[in-house]
Amino acid sequence: NAGVMQNPRHLVRRRGQEARLRCSPMKGHSHVYWYRQLPEEGLKFMVYLQKENIIDESGMPKERFSAEFPKEGPSILRIQQVVRGDSAAYFCASSRGLLGNEQFFGPGTRLTVL
Amino acid sequence: EDKVVQSPLSLVVHEGDTVTLNCSYEVTNFRSLLWYKQEKKAPTFLFMLTSSGIEKKSGRLSSILDKKELFSILNITATQTGDSAIYLCAVEVASSQGAQKLVFGQGTRLTINP
Repeated sequence: NAGVMQNPRHLVRRRGQEARLRCSPMKGHSHVYWYRQLPEEGLKFMVYLQKENIIDESGMPKERFSAEFPKEGPSILRIQQVVRGDSAAYFCASSRGLLGNEQFFGPGTRLTVL
Repeated sequence: EDKVVQSPLSLVVHEGDTVTLNCSYEVTNFRSLLWYKQEKKAPTFLFMLTSSGIEKKSGRLSSILDKKELFSILNITATQTGDSAIYLCAVEVASSQGAQKLVFGQGTRLTINP
């Protein structure tokens, strides 16, 4: 049973470009969460999604960031017009929801903005 | 604002020692407390605690939750160099939107010297 998969593992972008981060949850998991880990800081919640629904985006910056979890395919975290401060590790987690709330994490995408 | 505080932030011990890591929290709508181990990549799930006073055990690791005093401890006995990692404490909270999200502490960086 494959775990949570994220790609790419490393992403380098220049200021002003777009970054797209993908997350495929564990088999049987329908709940996806995105977290950001800045250097030397703990993980911070960004957004929680179920299929085709954003449930809680209270941790997401209001501008330039968006997330989706379509009916088919992976969840996507999109960052438009990236700035240096967006450089971080972005982790995706998934859970079964009400059937089991343990969140299992993917390997993360390390975004570097030049 | 929901808050999770871990101590110590950093700990260096010798192989074979026993360590105790602390996590205190101040949140609204507590649902559970989770411990993760983070090496160079994804946080790996260790324990999920929902009830006070019930110890969870996995090999040399054990953890317990005190919901009255709002803290948890993670014990590691007979430490090995492979236990070197950052240990993350997270509290699952229910948000106003009905979602569950994790609020993380800063982590404890544990180093085991041979």
